[in-house]
Amino acid sequence: KAGVTQTPRYLIKTRGQQVTLSCSPISGHRSVSWYQQTPGQGLQFLFEYFSETQRNKGNFPGRFSGRQFSNSRSEMNVSTLELGDSALYLCASSFLGLHGYTFGSGTRLTVV
Amino acid sequence: AQSVSQHNHHVILSEAASLELGCNYSYGGTVNLFWYVQYPGQHLQLLLKYFSGDPLVKGIKGFEAEFIKSKFSFNLRKPSVQWSDTAEYFCAVKRNSGGYQKVTFGTGTKLQVIP
Repeated sequence: KAGVTQTPRYLIKTRGQQVTLSCSPISGHRSVSWYQQTPGQGLQFLFEYFSETQRNKGNFPGRFSGRQFSNSRSEMNVSTLELGDSALYLCASSFLGLHGYTFGSGTRLTVV
Repeated sequence: AQSVSQHNHHVILSEAASLELGCNYSYGGTVNLFWYVQYPGQHLQLLLKYFSGDPLVKGIKGFEAEFIKSKFSFNLRKPSVQWSDTAEYFCAVKRNSGGYQKVTFGTGTKLQVIP
């Protein structure tokens, strides 16, 4: 069974630009969550999608948004990038949001 | 305020030493508890989880954790660590919030095992 796939693996953007990250969950998993990981703040929850609907949202500004498609694939968008948005963005999928989550390898975003 | 606390940010142990990593949470009600591990250069992996039943949970690679409800704790233990256990360990708590399940991670504990 393929794992959670995140693309791209690495991304360099300049301040003010926008970026879209993609996540393909494990086949059959309908819950997809997004996290931001930084050395100073650790793992911070961004949002969770289930069956194309956002179920939960963390404390991030409106520049961070996401969506989920009918095939459960999810995208995360960050607009008007700031230097502080540099981080590893992790996607995790779960079956119905139950039990544990399976994480992808992440997309490392660097904003210059 | 941090709702899931991992007080030890960095732990250094020699091989064969015993390990205990603390995890405390501040939610009332029913919770599900997890420990995840992130080995250098790898993605987060589930180490063990507690949902109900026996509060002593055994996970992979000889790890175990004990849920103590009265102390709001879910500490991770291993009797004898190996160099290959060098990694970052994250505690996570899932609970009901507004009718939905919310997962909050601790800030992580970096474990360095010296051969």
